[in-house]
Amino acid sequence: SQTIHQWPATLVQPVGSPLSLECTVEGTSNPNLYWYRQAAGRGLQLLFYSVGIGQISSEVPQNLSASRPQDRQFILSSKKLLLSDSGFYLCAWILNTEAFFGQGTRLTVV
Amino acid sequence: GQQVMQIPQYQHVQEGEDFTTYCNSSTTLSNIQWYKQRPGGHPVFLIQLVKSGEVKKQKRLTFQFGEAKKNSSLHITATQTTDVGTYFCAGTGGTDSWGKLQFGAGTQVVVTP
Repeated sequence: SQTIHQWPATLVQPVGSPLSLECTVEGTSNPNLYWYRQAAGRGLQLLFYSVGIGQISSEVPQNLSASRPQDRQFILSSKKLLLSDSGFYLCAWILNTEAFFGQGTRLTVV
Repeated sequence: GQQVMQIPQYQHVQEGEDFTTYCNSSTTLSNIQWYKQRPGGHPVFLIQLVKSGEVKKQKRLTFQFGEAKKNSSLHITATQTTDVGTYFCAGTGGTDSWGKLQFGAGTQVVVTP
């Protein structure tokens, strides 16, 4: 069966530090992968999506970037975190238009 | 670009009451989906509607897709405390937005006994 893994679950980082969040899927090939961010009490903001290795589309200009080095691996990065980067980051895999979410990473930038 | 809007943003319901949350898109959607996110959790898929005017039911939940495929609603009857959470609609649009699932801001539901 298909599963999606995301880590870490929680993260506290100082302003200006780098970030790397990883997401991997199992049980499928060539998945469409997405990164969403959810601010406290808010909706889901689409950050990046990828339809294949090395193919990244950015939805919102910001100091975040994404990479897809392998078919089933999707990474969200930042060189220097801002306070406004705090939030709940969700990786999602979409199969036949239905989204399956990872458990999420709760990031607090201090 | 495509925008998906949801109202109300917040819904306070007495246990046993009914309520409806609405979803509107700025563009025609290929399909509409509904997700539920429990407090502290991640969104979980509930249902997908594809056809114009489609109505689907899941126990006390009734989902409807508008005739023009630009709006949708979720109606919950006899609300229970287990219905607490945030309900999101999400849609994909025309060919230029294939694969991009855009979420509404969600309706946060609080149920009081």
